[in-house]
Amino acid sequence: SAVISQKPSRDICQRGTSLTIQCQVDSQVTMMFWYRQQPGQSLTLIATANQGSEATYESGFVIDKFPISRPNLTFSTLTVSNMSPEDSSIYLCSVTGTSYEQYFGPGTRLTVT
Amino acid sequence: AQTVTQSQPEMSVQEAETVTLSCTYDTSESDYYLFWYKQPPSRQMILVIRQEAYKQQNATENRFSVNFQKAAKSFSLKISDSQLGDAAMYFCALYGGATNKLIFGTGTLLAVQP
Repeated sequence: SAVISQKPSRDICQRGTSLTIQCQVDSQVTMMFWYRQQPGQSLTLIATANQGSEATYESGFVIDKFPISRPNLTFSTLTVSNMSPEDSSIYLCSVTGTSYEQYFGPGTRLTVT
Repeated sequence: AQTVTQSQPEMSVQEAETVTLSCTYDTSESDYYLFWYKQPPSRQMILVIRQEAYKQQNATENRFSVNFQKAAKSFSLKISDSQLGDAAMYFCALYGGATNKLIFGTGTLLAVQP
């Protein structure tokens, strides 16, 4: 299984600002995934990030709000732009294992005031 | 469209007892995988067990086992000899090769009573 780290682990941000979340994997992976978990809810896929190409966004998520970078096979960033209190969530990155399971980072808890 | 349904928002079990968490799913794909994930208060998503749809044998991982009923599209998780550390939110998830996405259910919050 992959070991995944995320930075920051938590942050409190003001409305209208942006936060960039980093995801680092200990091995090279083709695809990385970004999820949002709103308070008390399940996980919702934001986008899939392939190295060397534009991220693929799910319905309801747009690049202007959640720009993603994937500069190499072990690293990705997700930016939450122009934040509002509705963006308060846990953001998780994940990678796929050998049997289509996904391994997750520890998550970033974001609170927007 | 693929869907995953967990009809039990909360469950409770006594320590050392057995509990079963329910999950039903829907998919049009013939090749898919099913998973149970555990999310303790630390919020780390931990893979508990996986099941390949083409395998008839139910998966088992120590105290965790599944009852996979393919025709009924049911995938329940049984936890035997429950321990205090099993207290967490449990998510059922479905992966379909055609969509290349992991779809999660709404989760079941399991409490373990000492």
